[in-house]
Amino acid sequence: EAGVAQSPRYKIIEKRQSVAFWCNPISGHATLYWYQQILGQGPKLLIQFQNNGVVDDSQLPKDRFSAERLKGVDSTLKIQPAKLEDSAVYLCASSFTPGQGTDTQYFGPGTRLTVL
Amino acid sequence: QKEVEQDPGPLSVPEGAIVSLNCTYSNSAFQYFMWYRQYSRKGPELLMYTYSSGNKEDGRFTAQVDKSSKYISLFIRDSQPSDSATYLCAMTFTGGGNKLTFGTGTQLKVEL
Repeated sequence: EAGVAQSPRYKIIEKRQSVAFWCNPISGHATLYWYQQILGQGPKLLIQFQNNGVVDDSQLPKDRFSAERLKGVDSTLKIQPAKLEDSAVYLCASSFTPGQGTDTQYFGPGTRLTVL
Repeated sequence: QKEVEQDPGPLSVPEGAIVSLNCTYSNSAFQYFMWYRQYSRKGPELLMYTYSSGNKEDGRFTAQVDKSSKYISLFIRDSQPSDSATYLCAMTFTGGGNKLTFGTGTQLKVEL
């Protein structure tokens, strides 16, 4: 079974530029998550989709971050404009069935963003 | 105060040692407790999952949950260099939409 795919793996941009990350979840997984992991910290949920609808985006900085999941499969996360504090690893995860508390989340390798 | 506290380490042990990793939490609603392992430049992978209080064993790994103390532990027996990674605790609750709250992670190095 193929895992969660993410691209690019690394990205370096200057502040105020824009950047986009792509995620392809495990086939058949209804729920997709984007996390931000700052160096030395645990992942923090930014947004959660169920199919193509948003379940939770309470911690997404909506003035600069946006995400979409068209057709309930792939997803993109965009930052515009980027700030220095956005330097982090952006992890995508997917799970089969939401809301159970036992639904295993499978993580991709992440995209490491450096903002100069 | 963070909802989940975890000593960031780093923790260095000799091969074969017993390793104890711990997290404390403040939200008594948490019911599901997980340990994820994250190798350098990789995404986290689920290692152990426990519901409510009690112990769970899987090979060299044992997860313990004490809800009365709001304290969870992961024990690794006969530690190997391949266990060198960051270990993240995570937790959620029924009705929480599967939203995980993670600790900061403990970096473990097992030396030959």
